[in-house]
Amino acid sequence: DIQMTQSPSSLSASVGDRVTITCRASQSISSYLNWYQQKPGKAPKLLIYAASSLQSGVPSRFSGSGSGTDFTLTISSLQPEDFATYYCQQSYSGYTFGQGTKLEIK
Amino acid sequence: QLQLQESGPGLVKPSETLSLTCTVSGGSISSSSYYWGWIRQPPGKGLEWIGSIYYSGSTYYNPSLKSRVTISVDTSKNQFSLKLSSVTAADTAVYYCCPNYYDSSENWFDPWGQGTLVTVSS
Repeated sequence: DIQMTQSPSSLSASVGDRVTITCRASQSISSYLNWYQQKPGKAPKLLIYAASSLQSGVPSRFSGSGSGTDFTLTISSLQPEDFATYYCQQSYSGYTFGQGTKLEIK
Repeated sequence: QLQLQESGPGLVKPSETLSLTCTVSGGSISSSSYYWGWIRQPPGKGLEWIGSIYYSGSTYYNPSLKSRVTISVDTSKNQFSLKLSSVTAADTAVYYCCPNYYDSSENWFDPWGQGTLVTVSS
């Protein structure tokens, strides 16, 4: 099984901050990496697919990068609606998710 | 625009079989671009993929659940279903259904159904 490890597990930041979340795979997954945002009581929403492709309708302040085993999600300027939990997911072999990163207001 | 809705009992007894159905609207479940997936999330915890099915009936499952899972599709009703046998309290979760876009270079889940909470308890 491919394990996905996110860091940090939680993060406090302010509106306007630049934030980076990291995801590491236990083996190379090429660019088969997706990012999701989940708000409390809601279903997850796809933000980034194939490591760096922005899903339609997602604001351009979200970006993704990486390949192989190391990936990042960056939010260039935090907005109030961005405070949520973020999950990475590998789609190279089956699907496994990271444990999540909770982004909170400082 | 695809919309998915889960339905089924919210309470299942231990050792019994959990059964859920997902109804697809806004598109055909026979689309060649999509598998159709189930994902679950225990309260306060992370996400776990359960399995996915193609309209032809081809399936692939999470190895950790494979022995207990059956996913089926009914193209005439634009629905697909999940059965999870021999449930325990550890199977208590919000269960989501979603389209599983799949091709050689990318595969992902979007948009997700609203989810349905299934509690395993006597």
